[in-house]
Order: sequence, then C-alpha cells, then structure tokens
Amino acid sequence: QLQLRESGSGLVKSSQTLSLTCAVSGGSISSGAYSWSWVRQPPGKGLEWIGYIFHSGHTYSNPSLKSRVTISLDRSKNQFSLKLTSVTAADTAVYYCARSRGVSGFDIWGQGTMVTVSS
Amino acid sequence: DIQMTQSPSSLSASVGDRVTITCQASQDISNYLNWYQQKPGKAPKLLIHDASNLEIGVPSRFSGSGSGTDFTFTISSLQPEDIATYYCQQYDNLPFTFGPGTKVDFK
Repeated sequence: QLQLRESGSGLVKSSQTLSLTCAVSGGSISSGAYSWSWVRQPPGKGLEWIGYIFHSGHTYSNPSLKSRVTISLDRSKNQFSLKLTSVTAADTAVYYCARSRGVSGFDIWGQGTMVTVSS
Repeated sequence: DIQMTQSPSSLSASVGDRVTITCQASQDISNYLNWYQQKPGKAPKLLIHDASNLEIGVPSRFSGSGSGTDFTFTISSLQPEDIATYYCQQYDNLPFTFGPGTKVDFK
C-alpha cells in the first residue's frame, strides 16, 4: 500500500527558503501513471494546490506563487521535494504531498507537516 | 483561474438527515470535479472523482452529480463519522482549484 510522508523544517524565517521532502513508500515514484503534488492549507482556511511533477520531470506550479516554487524528483530515493523561496507569514500552513492518477483526483495524501514562518 | 464556490459554507444536521452541498465553477469544467472529506487534523480524503464516481471503499450513502458548471454532493443519511469539512476541486484547467469548503456538524 502506497504511503507518503512529508519531512522538513517546521520553522522558517521570513525571506528564507522553505524546503520539504515527500518520501514515497510501497510503490515507485517513477510510475508513469501518476503525478505528485504539493497542497497547502493555512490554519483554519481552505486548500491551495501548489504544483505537481510527473516521473518525466515535467512540472507545473501555481501562478499565484509566482516563480517562488521549485518541485523536483529524486528517483534514487523515491521522493519528491518542494522549495518555496522568499517566504512570508502568508506561507504559514500545513503542507501536504499527494498523489494523483494522471491529473485527476488526489487519491493518496501524506499526513501533512506544519510550517511556520517567523519574523 | 477557475473559481469554485460552494454553498452553504456550513450546515447543521441530525443523524439520518439527507445533506446536500452544491459547488459551482466559474466556467464549464465538464465532469472534471472531485469531492473530498477532511476531518480536523487530518489530510483530505478523496470520496468522489469525475463528479459522480465513488472511490473504492467509500460508503454508498455518498454521491455526486452534475456537469458543466453546477455540481451536487449528497449524503443520503448522515452518520456521526461524517462530521467534517467537504471540498470540491476542479481539474479541468491548471491551476487546479478547490472550493472554500462546507463544514458539516450536528444540530
């Protein structure tokens, strides 16, 4: 059974870079059938899709985050990562990694990791 | 971006009640719509994909319908474990976007 687990720094200083990793277990990240996404949720608020990456390395990031987002894949470690630069308090959120069947629904999610941006 | 709206934003119901949530897209998204359930402190769970297809293992009291811009999510008989926030999400156009959520609790 495929599982996802986020890890990374839980506290990031304003203007610095947020870095998270999603470890995939129970399956291969190199499967062509799936895309791998990041979704975030500010405290008490709704869900925002950050972007995705395919096994080919093709990525797409939400324009709302402008050019601050980098999503990458490490096939040797079976994981994918998120970097978000120039963070502000507005980036404080629970960050989830998730799998999609192609570009359809997010059918498997990590447990989420809280990231707080401090001044 | 495609804007998703949901109504109501919250509702209170009793066990056994029929619960209906609507989701509207700002443009035609065909049937490229999913529904999620999120309980406090937990990750969202995909319940329905492609507007009306139940995920494997999801109870049949959950259902979805609609196409184009107007969609409906129904719980035919509310159970205690259904207390949660429900989100719709479109995947017709990038970026994927979610509705603001509907919080369902007990009356």
